[in-house]
Amino acid sequence: QVTLRESGPAVVKPTQTLTLTCTFSGFSLNTARMCVSWVRQPPGKALEWLALIDGDDDKLYSTSLKTRLTISKGTSKDQVVLSMTDMDPMDTATYFCAKTHSSGWLEQWGQGTLVIVSS
Amino acid sequence: EIVLTQSPGTLSLPPGERATLSCRASQSLSSSYIAWYQQKPGQAPRLLMYTASTRATGIPDRFSGSGSGTDFTLTISRLEPEDFAVYYCQQYHNSFTFGGGTKVEIK
Repeated sequence: QVTLRESGPAVVKPTQTLTLTCTFSGFSLNTARMCVSWVRQPPGKALEWLALIDGDDDKLYSTSLKTRLTISKGTSKDQVVLSMTDMDPMDTATYFCAKTHSSGWLEQWGQGTLVIVSS
Repeated sequence: EIVLTQSPGTLSLPPGERATLSCRASQSLSSSYIAWYQQKPGQAPRLLMYTASTRATGIPDRFSGSGSGTDFTLTISRLEPEDFAVYYCQQYHNSFTFGGGTKVEIK
């Protein structure tokens, strides 16, 4: 059974760097066929794809947020980490990680974690 | 960047009716690289369809997808109470983008 869980701070201050961890089970991120994506959703708004990493450590980023995002494998083999710099109140959102098929659809999602950017 | 436009923004229908949701891409998507998701309040999205017309595991056959090129459709043949939710399309032809969503509400 595939499960994913996001963790990180619930509140960050403007200009700070946000670091989120996705801890997963039921699959291994050890081949190019295995991928994990991050997606966010501001309150009441649509989904926005952020970044993807595959088992070969290849990465893909949203064009509009590329300069602020870093996705990486965690220190544990069952973790993926997303960092976003220079946080702004507009970045307030629920952040999801998702197991992503190598072709591109997001097969299984975590429950999401709400991050509020406020001073 | 490929932009996906979903219509209508809101669809008000009674249970038992047929729902037709549209997703239009700003450029042609080869191999119908479109997926559809359902999201209920307070929950994560759930994968419904991929490659435009393939149902994900466990998705009932009242859900169907069609289309090619720039125009794609998600159809729910007979709305059940649990189908009232927000639906998103997503393209994976060139990077990834989501549409703005269609809310299917009870009339």
